[in-house]
Amino acid sequence: KQEVTQIPAALSVPEGENLVLNCSFTDSAIYNLQWFRQDPGKGLTSLLLIQSSQREQTSGRLNASLDKSSGRSTLYIAASQPGDSATYLCAVRAGGTSYGKLTFGQGTILTVHP
Amino acid sequence: SAVISQKPSRDICQRGTSLTIQCQVDSQVTMMFWYRQQPGQSLTLIATANQGSEATYESGFVIDKFPISRPNLTFSTLTVSNMSPEDSSIYLCSVVGQGVYEQYFGPGTRLTVT
Repeated sequence: KQEVTQIPAALSVPEGENLVLNCSFTDSAIYNLQWFRQDPGKGLTSLLLIQSSQREQTSGRLNASLDKSSGRSTLYIAASQPGDSATYLCAVRAGGTSYGKLTFGQGTILTVHP
Repeated sequence: SAVISQKPSRDICQRGTSLTIQCQVDSQVTMMFWYRQQPGQSLTLIATANQGSEATYESGFVIDKFPISRPNLTFSTLTVSNMSPEDSSIYLCSVVGQGVYEQYFGPGTRLTVT
């Protein structure tokens, strides 16, 4: 059974800092990995998708890396802003088919204070 | 990408009643997914809904409690039946896009059962 762990559970940083969120998974046979953002009481917004054959993806100030063999992914946020405050969720899709089950981590609650 | 809408966005219901949540997608999709997010928790998959067939439920979820309809390729409903306070959660509709199989989520329905 796939298990996804996110560290830290919560993070509070001053504006402008670069930060790293960590995600680890127990079964390396994944199809892809997605990072999501969730604002309080809202749905999920997809930030980055990394296919199992890829090492990293970048979008603006966000960079996600994937080391499938070690079961790890990191989300790097550059020059953090108060608007980045949200819960960040990592999810891995089971390998084998494109519709494999998505397993979520518990999330990292990020607070960026001015 | 897929744009997903849900109705209602939130509701407060009495114990013992039922609520039907609607999910509309702006494009045709093969599979639609229903998730539950209990307060302070990550997402749990309730069921996968294919058009023209019975939904597939995850362990711990049963059709009598969470009946699902999927009448066409752009629409689905989830009913939460005979509600109790433990059903208070955010319910999220989700689809997998074509191509790179990125998963998208609706804005969620926040349900409070009193």
